[in-house]
Amino acid sequence: NAGVTQTPKFRILKIGQSMTLQCTQDMNHNYMYWYRQDPGMGLKLIYYSVGAGITDKGEVPNGYNVSRSTTEDFPLRLELAAPSQTSVYFCASSARAYTGELFFGEGSRLTVL
Amino acid sequence: AQTVTQSQPEMSVQEAETVTLSCTYDTSESDYYLFWYKQPPSRQMILVIRQEAYKQQNATENRFSVNFQKAAKSFSLKISDSQLGDAAMYFCAYKGSGGSNYKLTFGKGTLLTVNP
Repeated sequence: NAGVTQTPKFRILKIGQSMTLQCTQDMNHNYMYWYRQDPGMGLKLIYYSVGAGITDKGEVPNGYNVSRSTTEDFPLRLELAAPSQTSVYFCASSARAYTGELFFGEGSRLTVL
Repeated sequence: AQTVTQSQPEMSVQEAETVTLSCTYDTSESDYYLFWYKQPPSRQMILVIRQEAYKQQNATENRFSVNFQKAAKSFSLKISDSQLGDAAMYFCAYKGSGGSNYKLTFGKGTLLTVNP
């Protein structure tokens, strides 16, 4: 059972470049999330989705965009990468919002130079 | 806004001994959920234990148990008979129970080292 799969695992970007972090889950979960984790900090919510076609901003959405065309996929796009976006990004999904039990991917380490 | 505080950036324990990780939170809600997540060196985060605020009984999952003090807004994690595989970053998290509340608020984490 694959669970939540993120690609790529590592990426180095130059300032101003754009890229998409891919996230796919095979558990038929309606709820999906993107978090970023900076050193010494907890996870901050970037965007979330409650189902296909529905997305909303989290705590730190600036500089990012998402889409949710299918239940399985929730890509995160970084436009005009900046050094402040250097972080580890985690995608997560959950079957029911109220339980708070998230299933996480392995993370994507992004460095912007 | 809710906040979650983990006051111990790092902790260490000897194998087979018991360790307690601390977490406090701030909220004005009466109903909510609290969680401990474990992030091993491989980085994939997994749920360790969950506590519903309306339940008086402390949650237990095998060697993991919590001490939930609602009035004090305290939620500590006790790991008994520590094993080398318990070494990880542990995050305390809070979630409100409102119908449109999808967000978990995480603490900054406690890095647990298990010494053989």
